[in-house]
Parts: sequence; structure tokens; C-alpha cells
Amino acid sequence: QVQLVQSGAEVKKPGASVRVSCKASGYTFTGYCIHWVRQAPGQGLEWIGWISPDSGGIDFAQKFQGRVTMTRDTSITTFYLDLSRLKHDDTAVYFCARGIWGGAYDAYDAWGQGTMVTVSS
Amino acid sequence: AIQLTQSPSSLSASVGDRVTITCRSSQGISNTLAWYQQKPGKAPNLLIYSASVLQSDVPSRFSGSGSGTYFTLTISGLQPEDFATYCCQQYNSSPHTFGQGTTLEIK
Repeated sequence: QVQLVQSGAEVKKPGASVRVSCKASGYTFTGYCIHWVRQAPGQGLEWIGWISPDSGGIDFAQKFQGRVTMTRDTSITTFYLDLSRLKHDDTAVYFCARGIWGGAYDAYDAWGQGTMVTVSS
Repeated sequence: AIQLTQSPSSLSASVGDRVTITCRSSQGISNTLAWYQQKPGKAPNLLIYSASVLQSDVPSRFSGSGSGTYFTLTISGLQPEDFATYCCQQYNSSPHTFGQGTTLEIK
């Protein structure tokens, strides 16, 4: 079955960087875009961006300009989200999710379990 | 960016009730709207996509409708496991925005 398994919780200081990984299995890796979404404590969902697994092309929300990098390693079917210059309000659960038909403009039919990133001095 | 406004923000209902949640878009998005259910500490779960298509394995008591700027999610015959938070999402254009969520509580 389709599975997205994310890396474990992280605690970082302001100004640091964090990497969250998302290992995909149970489907054709190169066939489906992956999206990244976050949820601050007690808040709603916020879209970060998406990555194409074959071309590596990305798109992301303007607010993350200059701080976000999304990559993938096809040899180990894993996606990565890197967020730099962390701020306190980056504290959130970060999710990866798969586009239902594989494209960048899809609903998300499979989700990782979430990775808690805490930014604290 | 397209804004999605859900109402109500919270709702109290009883087992067996029929409830409707609305989602209004600031721009027309055709039918590129999804509904998710989320329980505390869990990832969202896709219920409806393309505004009205039921995701596989989702009970038929869930239904969605709408197009353009106005959408609804209806749950007919609430079950105990349905008490959760529901949110809409548009995937018509970047950024893929979400509604602020509706918390469905037991009366």
C-alpha cells in the first residue's frame, strides 16, 4: 500500500536550518508529485510547496522565498524539505502528501505521519 | 492568493444528525476543491475531491457539492467517529490554500 514515512521530531534554535525527509513506498515513485504542508499548534493547514519527482521542478508559496528547498533522491525514493533561517513561528508539524493523480494541481490522497519541528531558543 | 472561508468555525451536533459545512472561495475555482477530515495528532484524510467525488473507502454518508465559489460538505447521519475537524482546500492555483477549518463537536 502507499506509504509516506517521515523523519522524527526536531528541535532547532532560531536562525538554524532543518531537514525533514519523506520516504515513499508502495507506488511508482516518479509518477506522483509530493506536496509539503505544515500546521502550527492549534492552527489550520498551510501549503508550503510541491516537487516533481522526475524533473525535480518545484513551486512554493511566496512567503518561503529564499528559505525553502525541496529535493528528492530517486535512488532511495525519498523527498526532502529544507527550511533555513528558522523563526519561532516556524514551529509546526510538517507533512508530506501525494497528489492523487500525480500532478501538481491535485487533491492529496496519502499523507505522511507528520514531523514536529520546534524552534526554541 | 485565493482565500477560502469556511463556516461555521465550530458546530455542535448529535449522533444521527445531518450537518452541512460551507466553503467560499475568493475567486472562481471551477471544481478544484477537496475536503479533508483531521483528528487530533493525525494527518488529514481526504474525503472528497473535484468538489463532489467521494474518495475510495470513505462512507457514503459524506457528500460534497458546488462549483465556482461556493461549496458544501454534508454528513448525513453523524456517527461517533465523525466528530473531528474538517477543512476545504483549493488546488486550482498556487498557493494551494486551505480553509481555516470547522470543528465538529458532540452536543
